[in-house]
Amino acid sequence: ETGVTQTPRHLVMGMTNKKSLKCEQHLGHNAMYWYKQSAKKPLELMFVYNFKEQTENNSVPSRFSPECPNSSHLFLHLHTLQPEDSALYLCASSPQGLGSPLHFGNGTRLTVT
Amino acid sequence: DAKTTQPPSMDCAEGRAANLPCNHSTISGNEYVYWYRQIHSQGPQYIIHGLKNNETNEMASLIITEDRKSSTLILPHATLRDTAVYYCIVRVAVGTGSGGSNYKLTFGKGTLLTVNP
Repeated sequence: ETGVTQTPRHLVMGMTNKKSLKCEQHLGHNAMYWYKQSAKKPLELMFVYNFKEQTENNSVPSRFSPECPNSSHLFLHLHTLQPEDSALYLCASSPQGLGSPLHFGNGTRLTVT
Repeated sequence: DAKTTQPPSMDCAEGRAANLPCNHSTISGNEYVYWYRQIHSQGPQYIIHGLKNNETNEMASLIITEDRKSSTLILPHATLRDTAVYYCIVRVAVGTGSGGSNYKLTFGKGTLLTVNP
C-alpha cells in the first residue's frame, strides 16, 4: 500500500454520463496530482493542487473538472467524455519541498463506451 | 524540463545485478533525479532519488556522475518481481502558489526491464 487510495478501481461509463473519481491520502501531504496514462503512452500530468489551490492545469479539456476540498482529498469530475478518454487515471501526493517524492495510487481504469 | 534518455528495454538474469542507465545532459543545478517503476496495471512506485551524491536504500542504489549528466540505477540482486518499466525523471518546479513552490514529474517511456529465470 502506498498510502494513496483511489476509488473506484474500474469504471465504465457512457459518453452522456457524469461520474467522479476519488483520491484520498492520509500521509499529511500538501500537494496532490492527477495523471492520465493512455495505452502505450507515457504518463501525462493533468492537474496539480498545492494546499487546495490549483497551481497547474496542463491544457486539460473542460470535460475534466478537478476538485480539492482539502489537502487529503482530490476528485476528478467527468462529464460528456469521449472514447479516447479511456485510460488509467492516477492520483499522487507529495509533501512540500524540492526533494520530496510523489506517492501514487493504483489508479482508476476508465472505459468510455 | 530537463529531458531524460533511457534504453527502451533491457534483460537481466535472476539473481544478477541490473544496471539501468539514464542520460540527463541538460539537468540544472537544483534538479533532482528520481527513479520510479511501474508494474503492469499498478501506479508508479517510488524507488530512489538524488541530487549530487550516490544514494542507497533498501530497494536500490543510485549512482550519479560527477557532472550530473547521467545516472545509473542498480538493483543488486534482481528477482522476477522486479520485471517492470523503470522511469528516470528530473523533477522541475512548475510555479509558486500561496502554499509554496510546486513541482512536477514528467514521465518518458522508460526502460522495460525483464528479469529472466
